[in-house]
Formats: sequence, C-alpha cells, structure tokens
Amino acid sequence: NAGVTQTPKFQVLKTGQSMTLQCAQDMNHEYMSWYRQDPGMGLRLIHYSVGAGITDQGEVPNGYNVSRSTTEDFPLRLLSAAPSQTSVYFCASRNRDQNIQYFGAGTRLSVL
Amino acid sequence: AQKVTQAQTEISVVEKEDVTLDCVYETRDTTYYLFWYKQPPSGELVFLIRRNSFDEQNEISGRYSWNFQKSTSSFNFTITASQVVDSAVYFCALSEGYGGYQKVTFGTGTKLQVIP
Repeated sequence: NAGVTQTPKFQVLKTGQSMTLQCAQDMNHEYMSWYRQDPGMGLRLIHYSVGAGITDQGEVPNGYNVSRSTTEDFPLRLLSAAPSQTSVYFCASRNRDQNIQYFGAGTRLSVL
Repeated sequence: AQKVTQAQTEISVVEKEDVTLDCVYETRDTTYYLFWYKQPPSGELVFLIRRNSFDEQNEISGRYSWNFQKSTSSFNFTITASQVVDSAVYFCALSEGYGGYQKVTFGTGTKLQVIP
C-alpha cells in the first residue's frame, strides 16, 4: 500500500548545489503536483503535470524544473539551490475524476 | 481569484472540550470543491473531507463535523470532545471548476493544541 513515495525525507544542501527530489506513485493517477510548505503560508503549488510528457507551472516555479516521463514518476529538480528554497516539499497525486489529492510524507530541505 | 482564509492561527483547548476551526473562502465560480486536511506532528498530510459546491448538507463523521454555508462562504470544522490525538495543523483548501486540472488553494492552517 505504497501510495505516494517521496525520497529523501531530509536533505541539507549548500548554496549553489543541485539536487533532485524524487516522487513516485503507484495508483495510476494522471495528475501529479509539487508543493512547498513554509511557515504561515500554507502550501503553494510549484509545478504540476496532467500526464506523461505534460507539465506546467504553478504559483512559485522559479528555481525548479520538473519532467514527467512516466505516469508513476514526477521528480523535482533544484538547479542551483538558494537559502530561500529551504522548505518542506510535498508531492501529491490524484485521479483525474476523483479530485482528491493524496500526499507523500514530505521532504524537509535546508539550504545553507 | 480563489482565496482561503483561516483566521485562527493557533487554538488551545483542554481535552474533551469542543472546538470549531473556521474557514472562509472566496471564488467566482459556481462549481468548486472544498477540502480539509490534517497535518499531525509527524508531518504528513491526511485528507479528511471533500465537499462540492452543490452539496450544502452538513456532514458528521464520528467526533468530526463540517458545516458548509454558501451564504457566508464558510466551511467550518468542529471537533467534539477533543482528544490529544487531535493536536495537529488543519488546512482548509479550495479548488475551482470541474474537469481538467483544478489548482488547489490552501489556507495558512490552524494549529490546534489539545491539552490533557
């Protein structure tokens, strides 16, 4: 019963480093999304995908890239980490018709 | 543009008290969905309820109940006889429209602390 799996759970980066946050779901959901959660700001949408090969920007896309080569995977790439990207990142997926998002456990990222 | 306001940043109650978490939303669409999620101290986000704009029936699930009022654009959440396990951050959320990808707007959350 995996659902949405995110790795790693914790990560510390230095400014300027790059890394990829992994997200995989086993529910055959068409839609996947990445959010960041910052204190006092709720969750904000970074990027989303409506299917393999299709991605689009959300509310706060700068500094992040995504790709969707398969239905199951939706990695989030930080090209050159900045302290402003210190946050908790959540991946979510949902069925096109059901409109209920299921979230991964989150990745806590610190950029020094 | 859609907006969700959770005016209560933090609430503390003593165990067994009832508590209501407020959620006020703004939308121009006539078709929309409202959600509540729970984020316990462990950090994951747990789906609690979804309500569509055409269904104003209140819902009760055990100690949890939700009051949806379109006239006041509110979707409030009440926990009856609170327990320590209810301590968490609760998020209200809104998505507009039907079909396709509907972006979800989250409120800033209400942190509930239940004191034993």
